[in-house]
Amino acid sequence: GAGVSQSPSNKVTEKGKDVELRCDPISGHTALYWYRQRLGQGLEFLIYFQGNSAPDKSGLPSDRFSAERTGESVSTLTIQRTQQEDSAVYLCASSQDSYEQYFGPGTRLTVT
Amino acid sequence: GNSVTQMEGPVTLSEEAFLTINCTYTATGYPSLFWYVQYPGEGLQLLLKATKADDKGSNKGFEATYRKETTSFHLEKGSVQVSDSAVYFCALRSSYKLIFGSGTRLLVRP
Repeated sequence: GAGVSQSPSNKVTEKGKDVELRCDPISGHTALYWYRQRLGQGLEFLIYFQGNSAPDKSGLPSDRFSAERTGESVSTLTIQRTQQEDSAVYLCASSQDSYEQYFGPGTRLTVT
Repeated sequence: GNSVTQMEGPVTLSEEAFLTINCTYTATGYPSLFWYVQYPGEGLQLLLKATKADDKGSNKGFEATYRKETTSFHLEKGSVQVSDSAVYFCALRSSYKLIFGSGTRLLVRP
């Protein structure tokens, strides 16, 4: 079946602009995660959605970052007033409850 | 807090050489441990996992043993191939979130 998909695959934006990154999880997966991978570093947890429970937003680095999820489907990560330090690959993952996480290909964000 | 430390790369080996990538962790309790691999131009894939002490995870010729005494989960392969060139990430699961090491780039030369 289809894996996790993300769009766009690449995004170049000017400093100060807002961006939206989209994630389509595997159908039937109740849990969805966003991570950030800065150049040469490991992945940092950003946010976690599980069903209809309140999301865990503890990893969001600032209030410029927000995310939404519609039911158990698509999620959107929004970064407002982008800064150069926001440049990174943003990875989405989904899982059946809290089991193995399947990752999407990521969105490479470059802030100029 | 929970953390993962893995050896810095890049690691450069000749084909058929023995591979070890060190990984140690700090955690409360006994978390599940994972190795993920990221091939050039591809997404992150689960390579192997171990869920309790002394478990050995294995896949595609790679192995790692969960050692609670040394809080380690070193990745090994007896004979690497050019196609193993990739970035390898060690991770632990803390509740539902994964905590990753910084990654080790492996380059295998023919």
